[in-house]
Amino acid sequence: GDSVTQTEGQVALSEEDFLTIHCNYSASGYPALFWYVQYPGEGPQFLFRASRDKEKGSSRGFEATYDKGTTSFHLRKASVQESDSAVYYCALGLHNTNTGKLTFGDGTVLTVKP
Amino acid sequence: EAAVTQSPRSKVAVTGGKVTLSCHQTNNHDYMYWYRQDTGHGLRLIHYSYVADSTEKGDIPDGYKASRPSQENFSLILELASLSQTAVYFCASRDWGASQNTLYFGAGTRLSVL
Repeated sequence: GDSVTQTEGQVALSEEDFLTIHCNYSASGYPALFWYVQYPGEGPQFLFRASRDKEKGSSRGFEATYDKGTTSFHLRKASVQESDSAVYYCALGLHNTNTGKLTFGDGTVLTVKP
Repeated sequence: EAAVTQSPRSKVAVTGGKVTLSCHQTNNHDYMYWYRQDTGHGLRLIHYSYVADSTEKGDIPDGYKASRPSQENFSLILELASLSQTAVYFCASRDWGASQNTLYFGAGTRLSVL
């Protein structure tokens, strides 16, 4: 079945550090790829998406590029802030169904120290 | 502002008891979903619905039922709650055709089965 693997379970950084969270996927079809962010006590929020190979998604200083060759969609930010502390989820959704179903990775807890 | 509202926000249930989790959306969306989140794991799809009076099984439907009496309301029912169903449950909605698989989540219901 379809799956998403996030390599890092937890990441601890200081403000202004560079962030990378690795996301790799396995899918039977050609998926759309997503990043969601979840703040404490809230539900996940859509961050951005990419639908095709080499497309870059971005929002709030975060970005990721769809790489079909390496089946990856790594999240990056050049300079993190304390307010970026949250859980980040990579997810995939298949184009060839209309269920809207998303398959999520296990999430990465980002902690940014001032 | 469009919203997905879940109730209750937290619940303690006894093993073998019946539990109903409720979800109400004002997004005017066709699709609604129930996901389960376990500590250290991603979100897994339990049931979803694309029209009132109809529900579909997701990836982990065993032990759960769903009900969609109207476009706005979607319930998750645990007929015989078990310890293994202790988790945080999220409801989400999606607009058919638009938003391209972007899900809008509620704040979650934390369920503890004792």
